[in-house]
Amino acid sequence: GESVGLHLPTLSVQEGDNSIINCAYSNSASDYFIWYKQESGKGPQFIIDIRSNMDKRQGQRVTVLLNKTVKHLSLQIAATQPGDSAVYFCAEPHTSGTYKYIFGTGTRLKVLA
Amino acid sequence: SQTIHQWPATLVQPVGSPLSLECTVEGTSNPNLYWYRQAAGRGLQLLFYSVGIGQISSEVPQNLSASRPQDRQFILSSKKLLLSDSGFYLCAQVRGQGTEAFFGQGTRLTVV
Repeated sequence: GESVGLHLPTLSVQEGDNSIINCAYSNSASDYFIWYKQESGKGPQFIIDIRSNMDKRQGQRVTVLLNKTVKHLSLQIAATQPGDSAVYFCAEPHTSGTYKYIFGTGTRLKVLA
Repeated sequence: SQTIHQWPATLVQPVGSPLSLECTVEGTSNPNLYWYRQAAGRGLQLLFYSVGIGQISSEVPQNLSASRPQDRQFILSSKKLLLSDSGFYLCAQVRGQGTEAFFGQGTRLTVV
């Protein structure tokens, strides 16, 4: 959509603090959500996913929370490290009969030393 | 394992010149393939996607075209580049509907 033309919002976090990155999704029928991390000059890489039958899923230092009522997704990174500096995208693979694969606006995470 | 090859990694082309970016995938058959463009400091814009040989869906009317001559090959082309075509072009594959996408390393195109 039009949001891809906007500058990425930036979240600055002190090293060692927790980071929370938010994403709003559009399709209430979506049943699968993914977070990707994109480091400078590289393609996005999978971080963690969640199915709509879950509210929370934890990985290594990362947690994804899903609030279906308000169509909101968040990614929490514990004890943020310099290597976490990147752009983070949520994705909502469309499963309603279309093969489009759309990404959210993205958030740039800057870790301050 | 799934692997995506994109080349070249960087490209500088004059305005009005043609373009051909190639993406090939390994380790899977009948993948859904995607071309994205990312302007500096911006999000991922879906340009084209393909669910099979010769099947191309265009998301944004523009100066570009795509083709899928083989199951594992996806090509992005232009007859005459514009300055606004500059950006980071990413190819991605998805094995099935509603699953994880795997990306290539991208091509940074600068039109001068």
